[in-house]
Amino acid sequence: GDSVTQMEGPVTLSEEAFLTINCTYTATGYPSLFWYVQYPGEGLQLLLKATKADDKGSNKGFEATYRKETTSFHLEKGSVQVSDSAVYFCALSGSEKLVFGKGTKLTVNP
Amino acid sequence: DARVTQTPRHKVTEMGQEVTMRCQPILGHNTVFWYRQTMMQGLELLAYFRNRAPLDDSGMPKDRFSAEMPDATLATLKIQPSEPRDSAVYFCASGLGDTKGGTQYFGPGTRLLVL
Repeated sequence: GDSVTQMEGPVTLSEEAFLTINCTYTATGYPSLFWYVQYPGEGLQLLLKATKADDKGSNKGFEATYRKETTSFHLEKGSVQVSDSAVYFCALSGSEKLVFGKGTKLTVNP
Repeated sequence: DARVTQTPRHKVTEMGQEVTMRCQPILGHNTVFWYRQTMMQGLELLAYFRNRAPLDDSGMPKDRFSAEMPDATLATLKIQPSEPRDSAVYFCASGLGDTKGGTQYFGPGTRLLVL
């Protein structure tokens, strides 16, 4: 079945550091890919998405490119802020349902 | 700013008691999902509905969990009887039911503790 593997955390960075969270997937067909973010005590929010190969999703300085050849959707941000501290989930959808990775906790220190 | 709402936000109960969690999806959304989040298992899909009809509840323990949509503005998840292993955060999400690529909008969750 479809699955998502993302790098295990936790990840701890200093403010203004570069962020990469790796995500790879296994799926039949051509799924859509997502990054969701969960701030402490809240539900998940969509951060960005891409619906076809080579698409780049971007939002709030975060970017991820749908790479079909490497089945990857790595999340990047050039300069993280303390307010980016959260848990990040990679997900795919080949249907109405989402398949989530296990999440990566990011802590950004001042 | 349309949001999914969930009540209660927190619930502490004793083993064996019935627990009912409620969700109001975003108006106009025709698909509703129930998830459970724990440290050990991460996010698990329990059930989902389209146009109020249950499409998949294979993630739910059938003997004690039930999910319904009495109307388009209310989804419920019941646990009877509750057990300590049911302690988790339960999220409701709604969407427009796109075949793929559709965004799911999550509520703030119900944090359940069963003693």
